Amino acid sequence: LAKTTQPISMDSYEGQEVNITCSHNNIATNDYITWYQQFPSQGPRFIIQGYKTKVTNEVASLFIPADRKSSTLSLPRVSLSDTAVYYCLVGDPLYSSASKIIFGSGTRLSIRP
Amino acid sequence: EAGVTQFPSHSVIEKGQTVTLRCDPISGHDNLYWYRRVMGKEIKFLLHFVKESKQDESGMPNNRFLAERTGGTYSTLKVQPAELEDSGVYFCASSLGQGFSEQYFGPGTRLTVT
Repeated sequence: LAKTTQPISMDSYEGQEVNITCSHNNIATNDYITWYQQFPSQGPRFIIQGYKTKVTNEVASLFIPADRKSSTLSLPRVSLSDTAVYYCLVGDPLYSSASKIIFGSGTRLSIRP
Repeated sequence: EAGVTQFPSHSVIEKGQTVTLRCDPISGHDNLYWYRRVMGKEIKFLLHFVKESKQDESGMPNNRFLAERTGGTYSTLKVQPAELEDSGVYFCASSLGQGFSEQYFGPGTRLTVT
């Protein structure tokens, strides 16, 4: 299964746009990219999932270049409440078993006033 | 709609004792997962139920861990006897689809073995 690499931590300020990049050089043809967000003392929360180009929802945007070897989670105009750990996962939604889900270390995003 | 709930939120037990964790998934979700994060480590998959059947239990660390999902509703995860290295946060998640489908996580149970 594709292994992902993302920055350990990032800092930003309220009102800024934050982009978190994830590398997944060995992504397979049927794999999707999924991002989860985790606040302290809570379980991970699904944010967004995509296969290629761009996906946008009410929370974030996900940009995936043509070669799909990386992806970027974009959080527009962050607030203090966006301080969390963000995980990038790669796998086939239809055929990858849950045992292949690798959360990794995630990216610890800290937002300052 | 209620989310995934877990009980208890915290549990402190002594080495050698038994602890049972409970997870109530979102109603209608056939897929139920257990994960755990031990101190300083990453979130790791333990097992996956589809209804009452164990679809994949490859992540269960050893035979001291027993998971059940009688009737395909709530699930329990029993640790017997507990060891110090079992300390960590145990998460439950449920989903409509399998695997990499959107999973809904509970708040976790923090287990401390002393």
